[in-house]
Amino acid sequence: SQQGEEDPQALSIQEGENATMNCSYKTSINNLQWYRQNSGRGLVHLILIRSNEREKHSGRLRVTLDTSKKSSSLLITASRAADTASYFCATDGSDMRFGAGTRLTVKP
Amino acid sequence: EPEVTQTPSHQVTQMGQEVILRCVPISNHLYFYWYRQILGQKVEFLVSFYNNEISEKSEIFDDQFSVERPDGSNFTLKIRSTKLEDSAMYFCASADRGPSGYTFGSGTRLTVV
Repeated sequence: SQQGEEDPQALSIQEGENATMNCSYKTSINNLQWYRQNSGRGLVHLILIRSNEREKHSGRLRVTLDTSKKSSSLLITASRAADTASYFCATDGSDMRFGAGTRLTVKP
Repeated sequence: EPEVTQTPSHQVTQMGQEVILRCVPISNHLYFYWYRQILGQKVEFLVSFYNNEISEKSEIFDDQFSVERPDGSNFTLKIRSTKLEDSAMYFCASADRGPSGYTFGSGTRLTVV
């Protein structure tokens, strides 16, 4: 099965700064999704990017996809303390698989 | 906005007991999934279900696990004889056209003592 692998594992920034998280995967995909998870809580879908798209925006989120490098990045601009959470990428295949996540801490 | 509902939110059970975790997927979705997340670890795929049968399962989903859609609205995960290592958060998800457009429930935290 294929799954995303995020880096860094942990990221700590000041409020107002941008946060960039990366994801790499191994095989071809139809789409890649980013999810957010607050500690001990459920998974919240953030954004889906299809394999024929290179960039997608949603509010303060910007996702890029490079299928030739089998990688994606999630950029959160003007971060807020409330953005503190774990962020996962997930790739489809027969079924969706998750990476281990990046734990983002935004300090006020 | 439609949502996936999971009950209970937290269940504590004795080792060796059977548990049933319940999920109500979004009504017009056709694909159903269970994932689990051991504390501090990544979200792991357990099983997918479509057209009233399992379409794929992971190596975690052994004979102790079973899924059922008993009445056209609920989707359940049964663990027949729980082990300590089954303690985890279990997430249900549903989708309308396969892997794109998943909606996750808020999870059931299972604690086996």
